[in-house]
Amino acid sequence: GQNIDQPTEMTATEGAIVQINCTYQTSGFNGLFWYQQHAGEAPTFLSYNVLDGLEEKGRFSSFLSRSKGYSYLLLKELQMKDSASYLCAVTSGGYNKLIFGAGTRLAVHP
Amino acid sequence: EAQVTQNPRYLITVTGKKLTVTCSQNMNHEYMSWYRQDPGLGLRQIYYSMNVEVTDKGDVPEGYKVSRKEKRNFPLILESPSPNQTSLYFCASRHPGGNTEAFFGQGTRLTVV
Repeated sequence: GQNIDQPTEMTATEGAIVQINCTYQTSGFNGLFWYQQHAGEAPTFLSYNVLDGLEEKGRFSSFLSRSKGYSYLLLKELQMKDSASYLCAVTSGGYNKLIFGAGTRLAVHP
Repeated sequence: EAQVTQNPRYLITVTGKKLTVTCSQNMNHEYMSWYRQDPGLGLRQIYYSMNVEVTDKGDVPEGYKVSRKEKRNFPLILESPSPNQTSLYFCASRHPGGNTEAFFGQGTRLTVV
């Protein structure tokens, strides 16, 4: 079977750092994505990891451990506009099916 | 501009009245998918298509149909909508490969009464 777990909700303070974790179990894992989704809007691509390690992209970084089935998204210098849901997704199998977790709703407070 | 376009954005309909949600992409992507998003459940795949005339069921296909007669278009058809199909729907497209990002349409908020 396939399973992706993320915390449902998190809160953080403007200017702080927050880490959103994602664990997954899937056969034929190919890669892991993080998407950002503001309420009522379409998801937008943030990052992609296929090899173990950290990928940094400005204020956002994403980490992957394939052996542990674990990833995290790190958001630095939080801004109010970072209040959104963050979706962890994996591609697996021959078709590279894209499977999403339920998402983590992040609320950033002043 | 590269984009995925869905229509309509909002739709209220009655039980049993057939409807179609259109999806079109201008990026020449082979893969297209339909997802529904419900609170606490995340994005669940309804149907996907790997190319023209090639479609297959996703995780929640019951009550839906799709077609892929042209590469750019992938309409979602609800032959007889029911209230449990009230949801937010997204169309997405991408190139084949495990590392290709998906591009999403703006979403269609459907209410079936």
